[in-house]
Amino acid sequence: QQQVKQSPQSLIVQKGGISIINCAYENTAFDYFPWYQQFPGKGPALLIAIRPDVSEKKEGRFTISFNKSAKQFSLHIMDSQPGDSATYFCAASMGHSGSRLTFGEGTQLTVNP
Amino acid sequence: DAGVTQSPTHLIKTRGQHVTLRCSPISGHKSVSWYQQVLGQGPQFIFQYYEKEERGRGNFPDRFSARQFPNYSSELNVNALLLGDSALYLCASSARQGKGYGYTFGSGTRLTVV
Repeated sequence: QQQVKQSPQSLIVQKGGISIINCAYENTAFDYFPWYQQFPGKGPALLIAIRPDVSEKKEGRFTISFNKSAKQFSLHIMDSQPGDSATYFCAASMGHSGSRLTFGEGTQLTVNP
Repeated sequence: DAGVTQSPTHLIKTRGQHVTLRCSPISGHKSVSWYQQVLGQGPQFIFQYYEKEERGRGNFPDRFSARQFPNYSSELNVNALLLGDSALYLCASSARQGKGYGYTFGSGTRLTVV
């Protein structure tokens, strides 16, 4: 049962452009929504996270937009750089399940110079 | 400070064999979780341990087991290996148990079953 659906599977943008990755979830009990960045040969690294009581969170060039009624959230990477080329995963967890993270399928981002 | 340390980094095993993967959390972190990441997919939750007790288990067969030691390090054991067990096994540590935040992942152990 896939509880977090992520799209697109792959994304190519030009340097300086905006990268947008979308996720949709099914379980309304989810209350924590992080995004992870993973480079080849490395584990996922937390990029930014949001809770459902806010609609947007911005950290530097990275912004999460959250739509609770639509059960969707997205990652926006402004001024995309070649160094941002990596695989991005959205995830979700719910308080009563402890720390179990449910991940999306991942988006492979390529930023061309 | 050292991050989450996993060993070995790579491993090749034959079907039917047993494997033990090891994880050392960040100093002071008492919670350790294990995830399986099949190539091209997102990580899947296997186990969480906090203060040496199992606090969560994902949808994996009983061939998978784990434990946490008094120093908070952890082992993941997989018996009767199948080809489908080939994956990157990730360990994540956190200072606290709940809500998935504050997790730091290790670089993983790449297991290949032939």
